[in-house]
Amino acid sequence: EDQVTQSPEALRLQEGESSSLNCSYTVSGLRGLFWYRQDPGKGPEFLFTLYSAGEEKEKERLKATLTKKESFLHITAPKPEDSATYLCAVQARRSGAQKLVFGQGTRLTINP
Amino acid sequence: GAGVSQSPRYKVTKRGQDVALRCDPISGHVSLYWYRQALGQGPEFLTYFNYEAQQDKSGLPNDRFSAERPEGSISTLTIQRTEQRDSAMYRCASSSPGGANTEAFFGQGTRLTVV
Repeated sequence: EDQVTQSPEALRLQEGESSSLNCSYTVSGLRGLFWYRQDPGKGPEFLFTLYSAGEEKEKERLKATLTKKESFLHITAPKPEDSATYLCAVQARRSGAQKLVFGQGTRLTINP
Repeated sequence: GAGVSQSPRYKVTKRGQDVALRCDPISGHVSLYWYRQALGQGPEFLTYFNYEAQQDKSGLPNDRFSAERPEGSISTLTIQRTEQRDSAMYRCASSSPGGANTEAFFGQGTRLTVV
């Protein structure tokens, strides 16, 4: 069974204090790993897709990396507007398994 | 429209009533997904369609839940004989699979409360 575990559940940082969020996964053949941002009361907003181990993608203060067992979302010099819940999801390569399997999310708070 | 549209945004219903939740995907998106999200949790898969064909309904909790997408565009998730445990945020997403980018885009959701 495909599974995603995110840690920590919650993280509180000071503005400018860099850190990383972890997403550990098990899947029988990875088609893609997805990172989403979710603000309170809103739907998840797509950030990145990673397809193979060693791949990295960046967007502003965020960088996502991927290994064969986990993904990290690195946040460099965060600002209060980066506060949100960050969700990780995997999609399997096998036929008929197009669904995304999500982790429970990491709730990030950046204090000014 | 520009994004995934869901209606209604909020639905309060009495236990035992049937409800229908609607999703209008991004124009041209082939795949449409339904998820349920509890407070403080990630979305939980219910079912998905490619065009009008329901490809996977393994996440539907029981036979009170059903979904359709008759013309390959708008989809309806129906819950019959609602129970209090059905109260949750129901989210719809759409994507255009087959190419390099397979990300799904989510709507604002429908908050269902069963009283």
